[in-house]
Amino acid sequence: DIQMTQSPSSLSASVGDRVTITCRASQSISSYLNWYQQKPGKAPKLLIYAASSLQSGVPSRFSGSGSGTDFTLTISSLQPEDFATYYCQQSYSTVFTFGPGTKVDIK
Amino acid sequence: EVQLVESGGGLVKPGGSLRLSCAASGFTFSSYSMNWVRQAPGKGLEWVSSISSSSSYIYYADSVKGRFTISRDNAKNSLYLQMNSLRAEDTAVYYCARESGDPLNWFDPWGQGTLVTVSS
Repeated sequence: DIQMTQSPSSLSASVGDRVTITCRASQSISSYLNWYQQKPGKAPKLLIYAASSLQSGVPSRFSGSGSGTDFTLTISSLQPEDFATYYCQQSYSTVFTFGPGTKVDIK
Repeated sequence: EVQLVESGGGLVKPGGSLRLSCAASGFTFSSYSMNWVRQAPGKGLEWVSSISSSSSYIYYADSVKGRFTISRDNAKNSLYLQMNSLRAEDTAVYYCARESGDPLNWFDPWGQGTLVTVSS
């Protein structure tokens, strides 16, 4: 199975900060990489699909990049509603796998 | 509005069984592959199982293979997860999620989740 790692596992940031989260796959997955946001007690929400495509309704401060094995989620200017946990997911194989998550909290 | 609503969660003893349901509305259910994803308390997301639109292709995570069975009823717009031989480590919120239908696949939307607790 394809293993996904994320770094950092958590970070503290302030409103207005630029935040970058990295996701790495154990083998090349082309652009089969998605990003989800999850807030406590809520279901995950799709943010970015196919590595860099912004889901409809998601603010443009979110962006994704990368291909192959290394991917990045960037929040250009962190807003209060962005404090959450972020997960990457590979959809290259029929056994989907998620990264362990990155928790973004308030500094 | 596209919506997924899970039900069937609850408290069950180790070794017991439970059947989860996911009711879909607002889209042509029979055209989409569907998935179950779970999240243990305080932990990350774990993909559990997927089923293609016509039930021709079914996949499971190694952690549930041989114990869980995914199925669907397109006439009832419903997805199911039959869980047998339950263990304490199966305790989690279980979400159903729709695949995109695009070759570059993604999950959207997700249901609100149903909690399964395995404890004596």
